[in-house]
Amino acid sequence: NAGVTQTPKFRVLKTGQSMTLLCAQDMNHEYMYWYRQDPGMGLRLIHYSVGEGTTAKGEVPDGYNVSRLKKQNFLLGLESAAPSQTSVYFCASSRGQIRGNSPLHFGNGTRLTVT
Amino acid sequence: GENVGLHLPTLSVQEGDNSIINCAYSNSASDYFIWYKQESGKGPQFIIDIRSNMDKRQGQRVTVLLNKTVKHLSLQIAATQPGDSAVYFCAEKRTGGYQKVTFGTGTKLQVIP
Repeated sequence: NAGVTQTPKFRVLKTGQSMTLLCAQDMNHEYMYWYRQDPGMGLRLIHYSVGEGTTAKGEVPDGYNVSRLKKQNFLLGLESAAPSQTSVYFCASSRGQIRGNSPLHFGNGTRLTVT
Repeated sequence: GENVGLHLPTLSVQEGDNSIINCAYSNSASDYFIWYKQESGKGPQFIIDIRSNMDKRQGQRVTVLLNKTVKHLSLQIAATQPGDSAVYFCAEKRTGGYQKVTFGTGTKLQVIP
């Protein structure tokens, strides 16, 4: 099992450009999540999905969109990148609701710089 | 995935000694707590968790202690090894359907060989 795989690992964008971050999991998990990690702050939830075809907003959703067309994939889109979106982005998945028998499994992150 | 630029509190421990990493959580309604380990360039990795109806849980070389009175969580690592060097952070989850887990900012553990 590869677990949670994110592509790309690094990306530099100019302000106003768009891009899509890809996340794939091979654990047949129902729930998937996108987080961002910034210096001095804990991980913050951007959007999440509780199943194929569903998405929901997290705590910092502005400027991002997501899609979950297939159970194993969760895409994060930036339509018009801003320097404030410079961050490390982590995708995660869980079997169901986050609890003891359903922990979060994280990918290794995408480092995005917006100039 | 590395926390570049973060001025994290750092705990330096001699190899073989025990490590204790502390965390204060904010919400008395939180019912589930997790410890994660994050190595440089990687994503967070689940270490151990504990529910609010427990005050101690043990894993392999790790123990989590929960003190709900003072909203404090600790992670104890026995016989610390160089491979334990990483950033450790705690997380809390409130009861309810919204998948909101609040993550701490972390403590950097440095193991001195």
